[in-house]
Amino acid sequence: AQKVTQAQTEISVVEKEDVTLDCVYETRDTTYYLFWYKQPPSGELVFLIRRNSFDEQNEISGRYSWNFQKSTSSFNFTITASQVVDSAVYFCALSEAQGGSEKLVFGKGMKLTVNP
Amino acid sequence: DAGVIQSPRHEVTEMGQEVTLRCKPISGHNSLFWYRQTMMRGLELLIYFNNNVPIDDSGMPEDRFSAKMPNASFSTLKIQPSEPRDSAVYFCASSYGGLNYGYTFGSGTRLTVV
Repeated sequence: AQKVTQAQTEISVVEKEDVTLDCVYETRDTTYYLFWYKQPPSGELVFLIRRNSFDEQNEISGRYSWNFQKSTSSFNFTITASQVVDSAVYFCALSEAQGGSEKLVFGKGMKLTVNP
Repeated sequence: DAGVIQSPRHEVTEMGQEVTLRCKPISGHNSLFWYRQTMMRGLELLIYFNNNVPIDDSGMPEDRFSAKMPNASFSTLKIQPSEPRDSAVYFCASSYGGLNYGYTFGSGTRLTVV
């Protein structure tokens, strides 16, 4: 069965600090997809990144970067030089490709507060 | 593109009443998903459709919940009768091409059953 664990429930940092959000997943499939979503205080869910299980290249997008390591079943997300606007709940999610299912299983989320 | 449109944004209803949540997916998207978000259970998939056909409804809590997708541009999630434990934020999402591009979520409907 697929499972996503975000061990940290809440983190508070001061602006300009770097912060890493951890995500550990479990799956029996060899083909799967990993996602990160952001939920700001306004409540909507914003897609940040998708990664498939065959692509272990790390990715950087501006101040955001993602580190995918199959050996440790982790897909961690780092925000560099955090800003107040980064304050949100961040969700990691997993989908197994077997059977063609598009079901996403989400972690419990991690609330990030960036203080000025 | 207007994105995924959900209505209403907020709904307060009395226990026992019927509640209908609505969703308009992004034009051209062929999959539609209904998720529920609560503090206790987080985000959980209720049901999803592909090309208007229900594919996986294993997350629908019980018979009080039903979902339809009569055409590619509209879906409803109905709760009848509603109960206080149904209070949650209900999200609709749509996608194109399966998981290749991720989902786009609507803004959600906050349901409160008193």
